[in-house]
Formats: sequence, structure tokens, C-alpha cells
Amino acid sequence: DGGITQSPKYLFRKEGQNVTLSCEQNLNHDAMYWYRQDPGQGLRLIYYSQIVNDFQKGDIAEGYSVSREKKESFPLTVTSAQKNPTAFYLCASSPHRQGSYEQYFGPGTRLTVT
Amino acid sequence: AQSVTQLDSQVPVFEEAPVELRCNYSSSVSVYLFWYVQYPNQGLQLLLKYLSGSTLVKGINGFEAEFNKSQTSFHLRKPSVHISDTAEYFCAVTHMEYGNKLVFGAGTILRVKS
Repeated sequence: DGGITQSPKYLFRKEGQNVTLSCEQNLNHDAMYWYRQDPGQGLRLIYYSQIVNDFQKGDIAEGYSVSREKKESFPLTVTSAQKNPTAFYLCASSPHRQGSYEQYFGPGTRLTVT
Repeated sequence: AQSVTQLDSQVPVFEEAPVELRCNYSSSVSVYLFWYVQYPNQGLQLLLKYLSGSTLVKGINGFEAEFNKSQTSFHLRKPSVHISDTAEYFCAVTHMEYGNKLVFGAGTILRVKS
């Protein structure tokens, strides 16, 4: 089955620790995205990558970092500099070709930092 | 800059009643529009999309939406809802010059009551 996997489903960390969220896709999509979701605020774009070894900041990149060493993988690191990291994190991918603009989402990772 | 406004944060409705979830967008260029559904603690699933052509778009699970360019709206409708339609619904917009990045509304929680 083709799709996007995110692991783990739930993640707990102590304040001051960095944590890496995994996102893998086998859809052969060029573009990948990370969103943060908070109640009542919709989805906010953290980082996105349209091609391997290249990525751009989204609207709320401060305190986060990413890498794109392989087409199928786009891990997100939540650093200790992120002031309010507790949230639901969603990864998405898209074909990034003209005529195909929708994004496909993974199941999400709920991060709780105490 | 693009923005999306979902006019209702919550919509309660009885089972088998019709429902309309409202979405307005602001953009000075031609846009592509999407509706996604999110069940609790899950990722987003594409319901339907408008890229061009007929302004009435049909999607999965009996949902449809109408693109109205003059009113910059893309309202989602279903003639008869089921308990299983209880979820959060997100409207999103993008356009070609925006590099396929989606801008999401804050979401509307549809609560179907028996």
C-alpha cells in the first residue's frame, strides 16, 4: 500500500530535549511538508521541501530543523529553542507537478513536552 | 497574501439533516481550492478539490462544494448527514505562483446528533 507513515503516534519528552519526528513516503512524491496543528488554529506550515537536499522555511520555522537526504524521508527535529512544542504534527507530500496541487497526509504524531 | 476564513468554528446538526460548511478566501489570482476532513487523532483526508471547469464539485462520502468566484467562496454541502460525518473539516487554497503550498482555514467541527 502506498502512503505516508509517521512514527511514533505519541511522543513524550522533557523540556530542554531535542526530539526528531519521522516521516516516510512511498508515493514517489517530490514535495514534502511539515505542519503543526493546534486547537482552533488550523494547520501552520513549518518547513517544506520540493526536491532532495533542498528545503525552505514555512510560516513558523523558529525552533525547528529538517533534512531531506532521501526523496522518501523528511524528518523534523523539534529543538529546545521551540518555546511551545506540545502539538499535533502532520507530515504531507505532493507530486509537485502542474495540475496536481493536493497534498496527502500522514496519520500525525502527537508530541507532549513537560 | 492568501487567507482562508471558515465562518463557523462548530456546526451542530441532527442526523439526516442537510449541512453547509462555509469557506471564504482572499486572493488576487486564480486559485485552486480543497476541502479536507480530519477524524480525531488522525491525518487529513482529501474530500474534494476545485482546479478548473465546472464550479460544482462532487467528492467522497456524498459531499459537494460550489466555487463562486464573485463571492470568493467555496462552501461545502451534504444533503443528509450521518453520525459518521462527525469530524473537523478544513478548507484550503493555493495557486500556481504559490509553489503548491496550501493555506488552511482554522477548521469547522461538524457534530452530528442523533
